[in-house]
Amino acid sequence: DGGITQSPKYLFRKEGQNVTLSCEQNLNHDAMYWYRQDPGQGLRLIYYSQIVNDFQKGDIAEGYSVSREKKESFPLTVTSAQKNPTAFYLCASSPQAEANYGYTFGSGTRLTVV
Amino acid sequence: QKEVEQDPGPLSVPEGAIVSLNCTYSNSAFQYFMWYRQYSRKGPELLMYTYSSGNKEDGRFTAQVDKSSKYISLFIRDSQPSDSATYLCAMSSGYSSASKIIFGSGTRLSIRP
Repeated sequence: DGGITQSPKYLFRKEGQNVTLSCEQNLNHDAMYWYRQDPGQGLRLIYYSQIVNDFQKGDIAEGYSVSREKKESFPLTVTSAQKNPTAFYLCASSPQAEANYGYTFGSGTRLTVV
Repeated sequence: QKEVEQDPGPLSVPEGAIVSLNCTYSNSAFQYFMWYRQYSRKGPELLMYTYSSGNKEDGRFTAQVDKSSKYISLFIRDSQPSDSATYLCAMSSGYSSASKIIFGSGTRLSIRP
């Protein structure tokens, strides 16, 4: 079945650590996105990529980094510079950058700082 | 002011009731409108999308767009306990690759058996 796979489902990070969240899609979509979801704040865009080897900052990119070396993969690194990383992280994709018909989402990674 | 406003709820209704979920928006350039359903600890799934104004029906779900009032609605008929979830509205202008989908903060819905 085609879809987006996010791993791990739960992740715990110690203070000062960098962690990487995985996102893989087999939908042959060009565009991929990372969102952060906090209670009462909806979805906030962290980074997005419209094509391989290119990506753009979203609204809250500080403390995060991404890469897009393959069409299928768009990993997100949460660095130690991100002051409040505890949140639910969602990866999404769309066939092309003009996502007029919506995104397909993964099942999310819940990151907790311990 | 947020571009998209959505009442967070929670909204609790008895099984079988008609549910009305709503969003308002400020950007008159929006012309693609979507509703997502998100179960607890899961990713959102696309429920319905509508282009421009008008109604769209899919089974027990009806999406309505009133661009003159900048107001969209999702109606759920004969609501079931399985409809208990958070519902997010979303919209985009769709003019170019720079136009992103803007999401509402979600309304938490609970259907009481």
